[in-house]
Parts: sequence; structure tokens; C-alpha cells
Amino acid sequence: TQLLEQSPQFLSIQEGENLTVYCNSSSVFSSLQWYRQEPGEGPVLLVTVVTGGEVKKLKRLTFQFGDARKDSSLHITAAQPGDTGLYLCASFSSGSARQLTFGSGTQLTVLP
Amino acid sequence: GAGVSQSPSNKVTEKGKDVELRCDPISGHTALYWYRQSLGQGLEFLIYFQGNSAPDKSGLPSDRFSAERTGGSVSTLTIQRTQQEDSAVYLCASSRGGAGTDTQYFGPGTRLTVL
Repeated sequence: TQLLEQSPQFLSIQEGENLTVYCNSSSVFSSLQWYRQEPGEGPVLLVTVVTGGEVKKLKRLTFQFGDARKDSSLHITAAQPGDTGLYLCASFSSGSARQLTFGSGTQLTVLP
Repeated sequence: GAGVSQSPSNKVTEKGKDVELRCDPISGHTALYWYRQSLGQGLEFLIYFQGNSAPDKSGLPSDRFSAERTGGSVSTLTIQRTQQEDSAVYLCASSRGGAGTDTQYFGPGTRLTVL
């Protein structure tokens, strides 16, 4: 099973600040997904990256996939309180198109 | 319904009792998944259904855990003789189930507390 390491585990910042969250593995990802989960809800898919070096933007969120497809980052510009939540990276387990393996998550709190 | 629904939202039980958790997937989704989320272990895959069949049960932690799906729709996850370490949020997800990977849509989960 591929292990996904996320850092930092906790992040508390002021509204308007920028931040970056990281997801790393010792193995190559076939693809990598980022989810956001709010209290009392299930994770919601934000983006899927597939190609090494790929960059995707979703409003103030920028997702990068490492050239070697072993790491990914999520950068949030000018964070807002509505960005608060648990951010999870995930990949499909080797040989499975269905079983997702999740990282341990980054709990982000944006203070007004 | 627009999304995946799960019931109950919260379940408190005593050690040794059996519990059943229910999942209603998005209409038309042929693939259904169960995951467990706990503080110590994060979010873990349990089982995957394609239609009424379960081709991947590799994540079930013990033989006390079982799941079934009927009519290609509703699924029930059963935990027999519950233990305190079973306490977690049990999440269900569904997807269209076509070839290759597709987006999994998660329900709000059932929070299980075993006393």
C-alpha cells in the first residue's frame, strides 16, 4: 500500500495570509487527488492531477504535481475563513482503479 | 436526493452489541465504497461494490465486519460484537462505476461510538 505523508498536520493562520500544504510519497503516483472535508461532512474532491509537472488552479487554490510524480502541493493565496477545513491528498492504490489511499490530512484554520 | 445519504448520523452502542449502518448512493451510481475515518488511522478503505458484488474486500479489518448491497442500490455495513476500537466515522461514497477511475462522492458519515 502506498503511503502518503502530508505536512503540516495543523496550520492556523490569519485571514489574508498565504499557505502551502504538501503531500509526499516514496512511490510514484499514477494520479493524485486533493479533497477538502468540513466538520460533519464527507470529503469533497477539489482536483485531480495526472501529469508530472502539472499545475491546476481553482480560484485562489493552486495545485502542483511534482515532475517525478512523487509529490504534490496545494497553495492557497489570501486565505479566507471559508477555507477552513481538513485537506486530504489521496491516490488510487496500485493495481486498483477504485481503492483510494488517503494521507493523514492537514487541518487548516483561518482566523478572521 | 442529490447526494449520498447515510443513516443513522450518530450511533452509540455498548461493547459486544451488533450495529448496522446504512448507505443510500446517488441514483444511477453502480459503484459504492465504505471507508472508516478515525483519529489514529486517518481515512481507510474498507470495501468496494460494483453492482451487488464486492470485488475488493481487502480493507475489512476483521471477520466481525461485513457488508452487503441489494438491488444495486442501498448498502448495509454490519459490525458484530463491537469493540471500543471500532469507534470511528464510517463514510460511504458512490461513483458512476465506469471503466478506469471516476469521481467518488462521499456521504456525511455515521459517527459510531462504542462504550
